Amino acid sequence: GENVEQHPSTLSVQEGDSAVIKCTYSDSASNYFPWYKQELGKGPQLIIDIRSNVGEKKDQRIAVTLNKTAKHFSLHITETQPEDSAVYFCAAMGRSNYKLTFGKGTLLTVNP
Amino acid sequence: EPEVTQTPSHQVTQMGQEVILRCVPISNHLYFYWYRQILGQKVEFLVSFYNNEISEKSEIFDDQFSVERPDGSNFTLKIRSTKLEDSAMYFCASGKRAQETQYFGPGTRLLVL
Repeated sequence: GENVEQHPSTLSVQEGDSAVIKCTYSDSASNYFPWYKQELGKGPQLIIDIRSNVGEKKDQRIAVTLNKTAKHFSLHITETQPEDSAVYFCAAMGRSNYKLTFGKGTLLTVNP
Repeated sequence: EPEVTQTPSHQVTQMGQEVILRCVPISNHLYFYWYRQILGQKVEFLVSFYNNEISEKSEIFDDQFSVERPDGSNFTLKIRSTKLEDSAMYFCASGKRAQETQYFGPGTRLLVL
């Protein structure tokens, strides 16, 4: 089955800096890659997603890139703010139409 | 903005007891999911449900687990005889279509003693 690895597990940046979180996946048939943000005491909230027919997608300060050949995708957050502090999860949907396979999460801390 | 809701937020139970976790998916969604997250581990898929039947389940989802949509709004996960290792955060999610965005609820933290 699909396996998703996520790095780093923790990331600390200064306010205004950029943050990059990387994920790799194992199933070349995977075609949908969402990123979720989880704040303390809340469920995962979708922040951006990308499909395998697209190499990059941007939404204001957040962007996701996908390299199908290398089977990795990355989340880029620019001009980080303290409210960006949270746990970020990548996920992949492979041959299944339903099952998301998650990475282990990255705890991002943005220091004011 | 519509949200997935879950009750209770926390549940403590004794080993061997039955628990029912409840979810109200977003109203026009047709696909429903349960995931769980054991402390410090990945979020894991348990089951997906569409058109009143299970469409996919993981190896975790054994005979102790069942899901039901008892009415037009609720979606439940039942654990028949809880074990210590069932202690986890359980997330419900819903989506409009397969292979598209899944919206997660806030979770139910289950502690089995």
